[in-house]
Amino acid sequence: EIVMTQSPATLSVSPGERATLSCRASQSVSSNLAWYQQKPGQAPRLLIYGASTRATGIPARFSGSGSGTEFTLTISSLQSEDFAVYYCQQYNNWPLAFGQGTKVEIK
Amino acid sequence: QVQLVESGGGLVKPGGSLRLSCAASGFTFSDYYMSWIRQAPGKGLEWVSYISSSSSYTNYADSVKGRFTISRDNAKNSLYLQMNSLRAEDTAVYYCAREAMVRGAANPYFDYWGQGTLVTVSS
Repeated sequence: EIVMTQSPATLSVSPGERATLSCRASQSVSSNLAWYQQKPGQAPRLLIYGASTRATGIPARFSGSGSGTEFTLTISSLQSEDFAVYYCQQYNNWPLAFGQGTKVEIK
Repeated sequence: QVQLVESGGGLVKPGGSLRLSCAASGFTFSDYYMSWIRQAPGKGLEWVSYISSSSSYTNYADSVKGRFTISRDNAKNSLYLQMNSLRAEDTAVYYCAREAMVRGAANPYFDYWGQGTLVTVSS
């Protein structure tokens, strides 16, 4: 079973600044990695799949990188609507596994 | 537009049963694999179960195997989760989610989610 570990647990960032979120897999998941954004009281929203491909309608300020066991989600210039919890998910092996989440909060 | 609407959640005693439903619209439901994913209060996401488009294949997390059963009715555009022998640790919001389709193949990441239904297991 693959374990996904996200860091940091909480990231304090000022609006307009860059945010870098990390996700590590306990074994290689190739590029089979997705990122989601979840706001309070809402369902998760798909941001990135294939480690680096933005989903439909996702702004260009969101970018993903990495392969194997190390992945990064970068938000280039944080907007007010970006403060949320972000989850990574591997889909290379069953069972599917999510990271525990990184909360991006206003500094 | 794609819509997924869950129902059937509620308060149930430990050992009890509950059946969740998910009504799908805005896409050809019978073409897509579907999953249930849950989120305990204040916690992260946990994949629970998936079912293939024609119901030929199913899979379950170890935490629910033998207690939960996923099914679907393509004629009714509906997904179901029968939950038996419920435990306190099954308390969560349960989401139905559509697996993405890339060049005709199912990819187990999720491009659409419902709003969720809350299941509370407590005496």
